[in-house]
Amino acid sequence: AQKVTQAQTEISVVEKEDVTLDCVYETRDTTYYLFWYKQPPSGELVFLIRRNSFDEQNEISGRYSWNFQKSTSSFNFTITASQVVDSAVYFCALSNYGGATNKLIFGTGTLLAVQP
Amino acid sequence: GAVVSQHPSRVICKSGTSVKIECRSLDFQATTMFWYRQFPKQSLMLMATSNEGSKATYEQGVEKDKFLINHASLTLSTLTVTSAHPEDSSFYICSARDAGRLDTQYFGPGTRLTVL
Repeated sequence: AQKVTQAQTEISVVEKEDVTLDCVYETRDTTYYLFWYKQPPSGELVFLIRRNSFDEQNEISGRYSWNFQKSTSSFNFTITASQVVDSAVYFCALSNYGGATNKLIFGTGTLLAVQP
Repeated sequence: GAVVSQHPSRVICKSGTSVKIECRSLDFQATTMFWYRQFPKQSLMLMATSNEGSKATYEQGVEKDKFLINHASLTLSTLTVTSAHPEDSSFYICSARDAGRLDTQYFGPGTRLTVL
């Protein structure tokens, strides 16, 4: 069975602090994709990153970075020098690779509140 | 690129009426679209997978006669909530998968349905 766990339900930080959002996944597939989406108060899900299981290289995009550790089945997301605009719910998700429907299995989300 | 629109963004209706929600991929063709439901402070729950030119595939527990899905073209899928009741009030979100890029879903802005 596939499952995504985001143990942190809510995190509150002060602006300019670094923050890491945890994501642990379970799958029996040997090939799969992992995703992070951001859902601001407006409700729209914004795609942030896709990582396939073949590629364990960490990725950095501006203030965002992602740490994929296959050995611990984790795909953590770090925001450096957080800003108020980063306040949102962040979802980690998993899908199979090349499957018929490529369903997304979502975690329960982490609400990040960045205080000025 | 990869823009998905939803219409309407908000709808309030009386109990017993039917409501249609449209999901459009604006700059790509989507052979597959997905419909999700999200309750307050919860994760997204996949309701059904909509395939262009064929019947939708519903998740377990989702009533197909209650939530009618039509995917008439490569850029449009519709969800009709028939005989809506207050318990159908929720945030409905669609996503579309680029036919040329099967590995990522792009989400619409969502529709807030309130049934009085």
